[in-house]
Amino acid sequence: GDSVTQMEGPVTLSEEAFLTINCTYTATGYPSLFWYVQYPGEGLQLLLKATKADDKGSNKGFEATYRKETTSFHLEKGSVQVSDSAVYFCALNERDTNAGKSTFGDGTTLTVKP
Amino acid sequence: DTAVSQTPKYLVTQMGNDKSIKCEQNLGHDTMYWYKQDSKKFLKIMFSYNNKELIINETVPNRFSPKSPDKAHLNLHINSLELGDSAVYFCASSPLGTGTTEAFFGQGTRLTVV
Repeated sequence: GDSVTQMEGPVTLSEEAFLTINCTYTATGYPSLFWYVQYPGEGLQLLLKATKADDKGSNKGFEATYRKETTSFHLEKGSVQVSDSAVYFCALNERDTNAGKSTFGDGTTLTVKP
Repeated sequence: DTAVSQTPKYLVTQMGNDKSIKCEQNLGHDTMYWYKQDSKKFLKIMFSYNNKELIINETVPNRFSPKSPDKAHLNLHINSLELGDSAVYFCASSPLGTGTTEAFFGQGTRLTVV
């Protein structure tokens, strides 16, 4: 079955540091890949996505590139802010699925200190 | 307008009670879900409905019974609540089809069983 493996947390960084959160996946088909962010006390919201190989998703200074050859979708940001403190989830959807079920990683908690 | 709304946001109840959580989406989506997030932030799908039809029922005790009166609503009823049911429950929705579109999450219902 499908699976998503994320870098274990928690991750603690100082403001303006470089962020990488690793994500690798296993899927039978050609999935779409997503990063969701969950701020404290809130639901998950989409951060960025990529629907085919070599696509780069970007939003709010975050980027991730769909790498089919390494089955990876690592999340990066050049300079984090305190407001980026949240839990980050990598997820995949199989293509052509009518069930619409997403497979989520276990989440990585990021804390950014001033 | 809130896209996916859940009520209540907080629910504290005693063991053995029966409780319901309501969810409504105004996005016109065909698919709705219930997820459970435990204290470690792990997110697990419980149920998925397509147009009021149950599609996914993961290994969930039969004390949990989803009800979908129409495609815009998916409620979760829990009988004989146990301490281990304490968690945050998220409702989500997405369009039916290719899997390239993200899920939209509600704000969550924090259930505490005492």
